[in-house]
Amino acid sequence: EAGVAQSPRYKIIEKRQSVAFWCNPISGHATLYWYQQILGQGPKLLIQFQNNGVVDDSQLPKDRFSAERLKGVDSTLKIQPAKLEDSAVYLCASTLDRVDTEAFFGQGTRLTVV
Amino acid sequence: AQSVTQLDSHVSVSEGTPVLLRCNYSSSYSPSLFWYVQHPNKGLQLLLKYTSAATLVKGINGFEAEFKKSETSFHLTKPSAHMSDAAEYFCVVSDPTGGFKTIFGAGTRLFVKA
Repeated sequence: EAGVAQSPRYKIIEKRQSVAFWCNPISGHATLYWYQQILGQGPKLLIQFQNNGVVDDSQLPKDRFSAERLKGVDSTLKIQPAKLEDSAVYLCASTLDRVDTEAFFGQGTRLTVV
Repeated sequence: AQSVTQLDSHVSVSEGTPVLLRCNYSSSYSPSLFWYVQHPNKGLQLLLKYTSAATLVKGINGFEAEFKKSETSFHLTKPSAHMSDAAEYFCVVSDPTGGFKTIFGAGTRLFVKA
């Protein structure tokens, strides 16, 4: 089966610009996650969707970050305006449904803000 | 609230010797616990998971982990390290009282010497 697809793989932008990332989860997976992984740290959960509804976005900086999963399939994560500290790898993952099933991760998008 | 602590940021072993990567968790309920591995420039891959069945969990590539509720630990072990095991390892906790959030530890970098 196809894995979790993310694009782009790399992005370099200037601070105060906006950027968007796209994720297509594994077909049939109801739960989708966006993580931020800063260099040298573990992934930090930004937002979790169950189908097209938000389960948890407590760690999403809502003044600049937004995410949507309108049809309960693919998802976009947007940053506007970007700050230097947003430089990180943004990972998308999906699970079939329940919490104890394996999460499948995409390759990630490496964002550099200069 | 759940949390996970990986006790060592770096572990160095010689090829052929045992590997021990330590993880302690905090959870107010019966958690699901996972170990993921991240090789350079590759996506996260599940090694093994514990979901309230057998306390000794066997994973891929010869790794295993033991869930010890009394010690709130879930240490990862392997009898004999291989050069290809060199990577970043993440301990992950998820429980329903945390809204099924998946929380990553900070990671342990495993170095394997020839």
